[in-house]
Amino acid sequence: DAGITQSPRHKVTETGTPVTLRCHQTENHRYMYWYRQDPGHGLRLIHYSYGVKDTDKGEVSDGYSVSRSKTEDFLLTLESATSSQTSVYFCAISESRTASMMNTEAFFGQGTRLTVV
Amino acid sequence: LAKTTQPISMDSYEGQEVNITCSHNNIATNDYITWYQQFPSQGPRFIIQGYKTKVTNEVASLFIPADRKSSTLSLPRVSLSDTAVYYCLVGDATGGFKTIFGAGTRLFVKA
Repeated sequence: DAGITQSPRHKVTETGTPVTLRCHQTENHRYMYWYRQDPGHGLRLIHYSYGVKDTDKGEVSDGYSVSRSKTEDFLLTLESATSSQTSVYFCAISESRTASMMNTEAFFGQGTRLTVV
Repeated sequence: LAKTTQPISMDSYEGQEVNITCSHNNIATNDYITWYQQFPSQGPRFIIQGYKTKVTNEVASLFIPADRKSSTLSLPRVSLSDTAVYYCLVGDATGGFKTIFGAGTRLFVKA
């Protein structure tokens, strides 16, 4: 299994409080992603990073911010948590694709279950 | 990004072959077709990937017709442990794996 560690694995927090989720990789992959998964929606991309300090928004980025100060760490922050952000959050990583490679694949972490009460 | 359509759920029995078909009518020339498997409380796991014709690995086969507008994941002789959600993804990973996940197909294998 790819070396991806998410922390914490479970968290309960109150509405309005800030929350930071951490993703740590040991694979030195260039790309890192944060997804959320809710019943009936599959996985939806929140933000992704294509290098240190290089990030961009995904399809459901409102209410979330990210930071990547080191290759191995990608942080997801909920500045002021709301009940609608109760979800399971997955981090993923992937390597760069070069012209000589087949399409790359993404490796996923075990997920963080966040409950906002 | 190409949208995919796959059945919401399927039932099967142990030992049977299971075929899950995915429709992706607006697939682009550079797009690959990738299938992921997800068990409860775990992240998705890569199963197989292909561009055209047939690809086979130790766990599955992927059949892609010439027009590439659909693909079929084939799981030979399923067991109870193959009960999971299967996602069909279409995309080009140049610039990152920003592929859209649909709701997937929930496969339930019965004894």
